[in-house]
Amino acid sequence: DVKVTQSSRYLVKRTGEKVFLECVQDMDHENMFWYRQDPGLGLRLIYFSYDVKMKEKGDIPEGYSVSREKKERFSLILESASTNQTSMYLCASSLSRLAGGRSEQFFGPGTRLTVL
Amino acid sequence: EDQVTQSPEALRLQEGESSSLNCSYTVSGLRGLFWYRQDPGKGPEFLFTLYSAGEEKEKERLKATLTKKESFLHITAPKPEDSATYLCAVRGWGAQKLVFGQGTRLTINP
Repeated sequence: DVKVTQSSRYLVKRTGEKVFLECVQDMDHENMFWYRQDPGLGLRLIYFSYDVKMKEKGDIPEGYSVSREKKERFSLILESASTNQTSMYLCASSLSRLAGGRSEQFFGPGTRLTVL
Repeated sequence: EDQVTQSPEALRLQEGESSSLNCSYTVSGLRGLFWYRQDPGKGPEFLFTLYSAGEEKEKERLKATLTKKESFLHITAPKPEDSATYLCAVRGWGAQKLVFGQGTRLTINP
């Protein structure tokens, strides 16, 4: 079974802090994604990566950056956390860019981030 | 622009009462339609992928079907443990990302 793990289930940070959210997948997937999920807004894509050191902006990249130094690990960084970044953050991975759209995304358990 | 609309937003059923959830989509060439189940406070759990009109997939009490404009998730004789939010997503030709619907929150009363 595909396993996607996230470093924390719950996180509380203060405004202005630098926040790191870590995601690791164990199935040698090429693609990795970061989403946030908010009531009434659904799942929104922040960034994704289809290879080591490659990244592309999603729908809402402002205020976030990402890092992918190893294939299995994809980090989301909040350079200076703000209260409007309080949300559920979900990491996902899928097999291969070359598999085209026929590649399911598998999600981690999520990190509930609260910024005070 | 690719779009996904799910209906109803919420559905409450009695245990054993079968029903269907709808996912209507517009996409520039469908490369896959995906169904997920999400429990409160957890990440979405993958259920099915459908690729072309007429395709069907089943898993326990769930059956997903696909036409050129919509997909249905049929739930037969549901149990309380089927209570969850069900998400639908599509990916179009040339797109790198999935487009998700808002989900249907399903509650099964014992």
